[in-house]
Amino acid sequence: DAKTTQPPSMDCAEGRAANLPCNHSTISGNEYVYWYRQIHSQGPQYIIHGLKNNETNEMASLIITEDRKSSTLILPHATLRDTAVYYCIVRALPSGSARQLTFGSGTQLTVLP
Amino acid sequence: DAGVTQSPTHLIKTRGQQVTLRCSPKSGHDTVSWYQQALGQGPQFIFQYYEEEERQRGNFPDRFSGHQYPNYSSELNVNALLLGDSALYLCASSWISDAAKNIQYFGAGTRLSVL
Repeated sequence: DAKTTQPPSMDCAEGRAANLPCNHSTISGNEYVYWYRQIHSQGPQYIIHGLKNNETNEMASLIITEDRKSSTLILPHATLRDTAVYYCIVRALPSGSARQLTFGSGTQLTVLP
Repeated sequence: DAGVTQSPTHLIKTRGQQVTLRCSPKSGHDTVSWYQQALGQGPQFIFQYYEEEERQRGNFPDRFSGHQYPNYSSELNVNALLLGDSALYLCASSWISDAAKNIQYFGAGTRLSVL
């Protein structure tokens, strides 16, 4: 699996967009970018994933650069409840059962009032 | 619709003891994975069960073993506990037919403290 690099921490003002970067310069053509987050005292929660096109769902948007070496998770209007550790994971699609997820240290996002 | 449930929420054991943690997957899910999360670190994959068999295993010693029952629920057993086994143990479930999305749903975890 490709290795990912994320800043250890970021702050964001409540109501503003939170932009969380992730570098994955060794990503392979068949590897997807996944984002999970972990709110304190809870298990990780799936947010979004994508291959090369930008993706959007009710939680966030995922922007992947054309060369696929980096991506940005965007929370359009951050709230205090978005304070969490955000994990960027690169993984090929599994054959058979869902494959293990390899978590790094993630980015601690703190949304400030 | 109940999500992934784990029990107990907290557990205190002493070195050398054995512990069993339990997980009920999300309704409709048939695959269960277990992760260990030390304080301040990301979760680390222990193993995954599907059709009552261990399908994948991470870099964990044989002291860590598991089981999956016909109703898809799962147990994680750890023998000869070490101080370093103190961690949050997370269970994640998924659906084999949905494997292409590779999305896993996590429980809140069991906090194990080894004294």
